[in-house]
Amino acid sequence: GESVGLHLPTLSVQEGDNSIINCAYSNSASDYFIWYKQESGKGPQFIIDIRSNMDKRQGQRVTVLLNKTVKHLSLQIAATQPGDSAVYFCAEKSGAGNMLTFGGGTRLMVKP
Amino acid sequence: DTAVSQTPKYLVTQMGNDKSIKCEQNLGHDTMYWYKQDSKKFLKIMFSYNNKELIINETVPNRFSPKSPDKAHLNLHINSLELGDSAVYFCASSQYGGNGNTIYFGEGSWLTVV
Repeated sequence: GESVGLHLPTLSVQEGDNSIINCAYSNSASDYFIWYKQESGKGPQFIIDIRSNMDKRQGQRVTVLLNKTVKHLSLQIAATQPGDSAVYFCAEKSGAGNMLTFGGGTRLMVKP
Repeated sequence: DTAVSQTPKYLVTQMGNDKSIKCEQNLGHDTMYWYKQDSKKFLKIMFSYNNKELIINETVPNRFSPKSPDKAHLNLHINSLELGDSAVYFCASSQYGGNGNTIYFGEGSWLTVV
């Protein structure tokens, strides 16, 4: 399933399925992008990052895809597990001060 | 070991009071931040300090005053608290400069103004 990361939409997937979370970013000058995972009652945790000179990066069970033409970022989670249930944020870095600008977040719910 | 630690985790206080949230990082980073997360989970930068100097100050009321005694600490003091200040406040840190410098977050401080 897919979801657009605006206004905290919810993506519900079955355990074992793949998840795709999408994000539209705003600044064409952004040169670095990060996906964060935020579990209930905790702070955002780094998952994976990608620089603007790449279009794909893979981690363990996660892949980030970057399409600069349409300013779109996606996070793919393979074989989604109950522990993946959380709110996922994309963030872009641009401008002075190493500042990260966050997208609105997507809640991922994994059904056992 | 907690890399970015902030206290208190929960704070309930009355309107008009003054309160502080403390933050410390043991990552050796030179840049620290305060972010505010509202009830809709939207995360917004408030302040950024690099080597104890303010480098980002987004549109935040003057009632909010950050203080950085050294580069490992960034405290947030809030005067005359209002109902709308109720939110989760996250401290974060990173190493400034270059591409790809990940920002690490604390566990958050839940502020409720009644």
